[in-house]
Amino acid sequence: AQSVTQPDIHITVSEGASLELRCNYSYGATPYLFWYVQSPGQGLQLLLKYFSGDTLVQGIKGFEAEFKRSQSSFNLRKPSVHWSDAAEYFCAVGQGGTSYGKLTFGQGTILTVHP
Amino acid sequence: DSGVTQTPKHLITATGQRVTLRCSPRSGDLSVYWYQQSLDQGLQFLIQYYNGEERAKGNILERFSAQQFPDLHSELNLSSLELGDSALYFCASSVGARATDTQYFGPGTRLTVL
Repeated sequence: AQSVTQPDIHITVSEGASLELRCNYSYGATPYLFWYVQSPGQGLQLLLKYFSGDTLVQGIKGFEAEFKRSQSSFNLRKPSVHWSDAAEYFCAVGQGGTSYGKLTFGQGTILTVHP
Repeated sequence: DSGVTQTPKHLITATGQRVTLRCSPRSGDLSVYWYQQSLDQGLQFLIQYYNGEERAKGNILERFSAQQFPDLHSELNLSSLELGDSALYFCASSVGARATDTQYFGPGTRLTVL
């Protein structure tokens, strides 16, 4: 069965600093990979996704992620964090096929931004 | 605003009771998904419907059932409620049924079982 691991439960950064959130997945074939963000009291919003092709993908709000097959990773990055980026971030994987749209989520990483 | 609506926003009920959560997908979306978010289990996929038919099933309890109606709205029924069912229940929708179709999430229904 596929699984997703986000090793960092909580990360604190200063505003303007760079950010990297880690995500590792376990799946035999090339998975469909996603990053979602959840602000307090809100639903999840898709930041970016990777299916195939260029392993560096750009998303909304200045985020990017890099797929590394050799490391089974899909880490999320942002060069300069803004206070409004404080939220919880979820990495997710879909395998398609007979699983259709089922997504498996990691446990999430809470991002705190200090002024 | 994702365009996905969920009602009610909050629900407080007692153990042993039955509740129904409702979801209206974005206009034009044919797939509806239900997810449960709890402190213990994190965010877990429950079930997916596409144009009225069940497409994928996760670890959904037998006490839980769902359906998608001809107008494409969906309901999640939770019965014989237990304390552990307290969670945030999200509905999401997408145009198609594949994992590559972007899922848009609603704001969720917070269920508290006392």
